[in-house]
Amino acid sequence: DQQVKQNSPSLSVQEGRISILNCDYTNSMFDYFLWYKKYPAEGPTFLISISSIKDKNEDGRFTVFLNKSAKHLSLHIVPSQPGDSAVYFCAARRTSYDKVIFGPGTSLSVIP
Amino acid sequence: DVKVTQSSRYLVKRTGEKVFLECVQDMDHENMFWYRQDPGLGLRLIYFSYDVKMKEKGDIPEGYSVSREKKERFSLILESASTNQTSMYLCASSSGTIANEKLFFGSGTQLSVL
Repeated sequence: DQQVKQNSPSLSVQEGRISILNCDYTNSMFDYFLWYKKYPAEGPTFLISISSIKDKNEDGRFTVFLNKSAKHLSLHIVPSQPGDSAVYFCAARRTSYDKVIFGPGTSLSVIP
Repeated sequence: DVKVTQSSRYLVKRTGEKVFLECVQDMDHENMFWYRQDPGLGLRLIYFSYDVKMKEKGDIPEGYSVSREKKERFSLILESASTNQTSMYLCASSSGTIANEKLFFGSGTQLSVL
């Protein structure tokens, strides 16, 4: 029973356009959400996070939006670059004492 | 930079063999984790440890055990490898509480059990 869902296994976007990666969760107790990025042959790296008390967090080209009522978050990458091609994992945790739970990932391809 | 090193990049083992996956981190982190990554399932937590000699079961501990005799080293053990344990295994570490979201991952070990 997956508590963190990423329903799009893959996404292709043209360079310079916006990439939107979506994530849904089922557990209303989640209070902190994260995105990790993974290149082939490397471990995932932390990208950006958002607390449940916010609805938006921005870091350069990356913005995460949180809609708590819909139990949905999204990662926007603007503009997309070929180096952004990777697998993106959405993740969440329930409390400040609980471990992180990961979604299945979305593979993003940015086409030059 | 934090470095998490996994001893093998690729490993091929036979069914029934005992398998050791080693992980070492160099940043004096309290917490260490073992995940497996499978297509469509994402990263699933097998075991974690928040201190030397301490271990906690994750979401899928069956068929695995762990050892943490030193702070920097966390070993994953498959007592009797089975084909359904063929997977990418990722080790991670973090500082502070277990809930610290900033995990540092190793490059992974692709294990094939034949």
